[in-house]
Amino acid sequence: AQSVAQPEDQVNVAEGNPLTVKCTYSVSGNPYLFWYVQYPNRGLQFLLKYITGDNLVKGSYGFEAEFNKSQTSFHLKKPSALVSDSALYFCAVRDMESGAGSYQLTFGKGTKLSVIP
Amino acid sequence: DSGVTQTPKHLITATGQRVTLRCSPRSGDLSVYWYQQSLDQGLQFLIQYYNGEERAKGNILERFSAQQFPDLHSELNLSSLELGDSALYFCASSVVGTSIGELFFGEGSRLTVL
Repeated sequence: AQSVAQPEDQVNVAEGNPLTVKCTYSVSGNPYLFWYVQYPNRGLQFLLKYITGDNLVKGSYGFEAEFNKSQTSFHLKKPSALVSDSALYFCAVRDMESGAGSYQLTFGKGTKLSVIP
Repeated sequence: DSGVTQTPKHLITATGQRVTLRCSPRSGDLSVYWYQQSLDQGLQFLIQYYNGEERAKGNILERFSAQQFPDLHSELNLSSLELGDSALYFCASSVVGTSIGELFFGEGSRLTVL
């Protein structure tokens, strides 16, 4: 079974400061990892993914994430936060060993990011 | 715009009733996924269809059912509704034939059961 933990329900950061949203995962095999963002009353939007290769993945809107296999973590980061980054962020995992054609993602409970002007 | 269309956006109904939520995937995507989002449970995977066939099942109640039609749109049927079924229901679709692609989500259907 696969699972994702986002240990912080909420993260507050001042505008212009760096931000980190934490995520740890558990899978039986090698993971595919994803970050999504959800703005109020909207669907989930894809930010970035880790499949293989470089542990630092760059995505949309200046976000990046660092894959750490030994710590089973995939933290989302941004060097300088904007007020418009305020939203709900979800980490998700798919086990490479999932059954053929069974490609659903398992999501964490989400972290609410508030960027304070 | 993800290209995934869900209707209706909002739905208010009473306990014991039945509703149908509709999803049109992105052009070319054969897989459709249904998720339920609630405050206490977060995002829960319900069911996946691939080219008309059920491919994976998650935490879907027996009162709920889904199907995918030949034109690839999908419907999620919720029956004998209870207050606890109030939630945001998302449909997502994915690129054909790959396990490494991301899912593309619709805007969701917000169900309120009174």
